[in-house]
Amino acid sequence: DIQMTQSPSTLSASVGDRVTITCRASQSISSWLAWYQQKPGKAPKLLIYQASSLESGVPSRFSGSGSGTEFTLTISSLQPGDFATYYCQQYDNYWTFGQGTKVEIK
Amino acid sequence: EVQLVESGGGLVQPGGSLRLSCAASEFTLSSYWMSWVRQAPGKGLEWVANIKQDGSEKYYVDSVKGRFTISRDNAKNSLYLQMNSLRAEDTALYYCARGGIRWSGDYWGQGTLVTVSS
Repeated sequence: DIQMTQSPSTLSASVGDRVTITCRASQSISSWLAWYQQKPGKAPKLLIYQASSLESGVPSRFSGSGSGTEFTLTISSLQPGDFATYYCQQYDNYWTFGQGTKVEIK
Repeated sequence: EVQLVESGGGLVQPGGSLRLSCAASEFTLSSYWMSWVRQAPGKGLEWVANIKQDGSEKYYVDSVKGRFTISRDNAKNSLYLQMNSLRAEDTALYYCARGGIRWSGDYWGQGTLVTVSS
């Protein structure tokens, strides 16, 4: 089974900061990688699919990169509504989620 | 607007059964893989099961194999999860999501809570 490892598990940042979250797959998943944002009490929201494609309606400050086993999610300028938990997910072979990265206010 | 609405959750004793349903609207269910994902209280997301458009392929996380069954009725625009031999560790909010193998979860329901306790 494919394991997904996210880092860091918690990230403290301020509004306007550039934020980067990393996700590593235990084997190559090509570009079958998605990123989700989840706020308390809400369902996950798809941000990025195919490693770097921005889901419709998602602000352009969110971007994704990588292929194979190493991936990153970048928020270019953190906004108040971006404080949330972020998950990576591989969907090449079944589904597997990373353990999540909580972005909190510094 | 695409909608997914889960139902069927509740309190059940260990060893008991529940059947979750997910009603889909504003898209053609038969065109999409569908999935169930769960989230234990205060924990991360865990994939549970995927099912192909015609139901011919089904996949499960190891921890539910032999106990859970995913199914669908495209004519009724519905997805199901039959859960048997429930354990305390199955306690979670269960989400249905549109997507599956090589298709990310682009739409999610709001979830239905399953609590396994005596």
